[in-house]
Amino acid sequence: QKEVEQNSGPLSVPEGAIASLNCTYSDRGSQSFFWYRQYSGKSPELIMSIYSNGDKEDGRFTAQLNKASQYVSLLIRDSQPSDSATYLCAVNMLTGYQKVTFGTGTKLQVIP
Amino acid sequence: ETGVTQSPTHLIKTRGQQVTLRCSSQSGHNTVSWYQQALGQGPQFIFQYYREEKNGRGNFPPRFSGLQFPNYSSELNVNALELDDSALYLCASSSDGTLQFFGPGTRLTVL
Repeated sequence: QKEVEQNSGPLSVPEGAIASLNCTYSDRGSQSFFWYRQYSGKSPELIMSIYSNGDKEDGRFTAQLNKASQYVSLLIRDSQPSDSATYLCAVNMLTGYQKVTFGTGTKLQVIP
Repeated sequence: ETGVTQSPTHLIKTRGQQVTLRCSSQSGHNTVSWYQQALGQGPQFIFQYYREEKNGRGNFPPRFSGLQFPNYSSELNVNALELDDSALYLCASSSDGTLQFFGPGTRLTVL
């Protein structure tokens, strides 16, 4: 089992729709969770962090965390073509030092 | 506030050569992590430095080495380059080791 799993996609949604991106992780002791956006050829950009169960909203983005199910998701409301990118889920696992493990990313395509 | 910077932007080397990549951390950050990102993959953790000490290492061979300087900038050195070392090398700085901000990366091509 991979430490952090994401569906590679592509996930295609029409402009204005809600995009839902999902991520599962293997380490039940994980404490910190992050979503990064990465445009083709560019470096990852931090868009959300979440540390406790429930929802965290920031503009059009909502991160959802369920530690019991070892599941974290990202919702993008009113999707725009500029949201087309790869979204990386990252998890801080308990290793004795602060190691952040990334999933392989989900490619999102927003169709105008 | 200055963000994370990396140099060079692009680099082409031949197999067997050695390369040094550089990273300047964001102001106020004392932790630097290095990642390798192959095409279509997520970033893979190479190692992390905290206040000039190595704080952890991923599954990379010893020919990947690094250091961190008193100003918290960092270098990644790769010896005996192999074709599979071709990737985007990312540096991320942090004040707590987890909330990381990435630099623009160095694209390394090994021929």
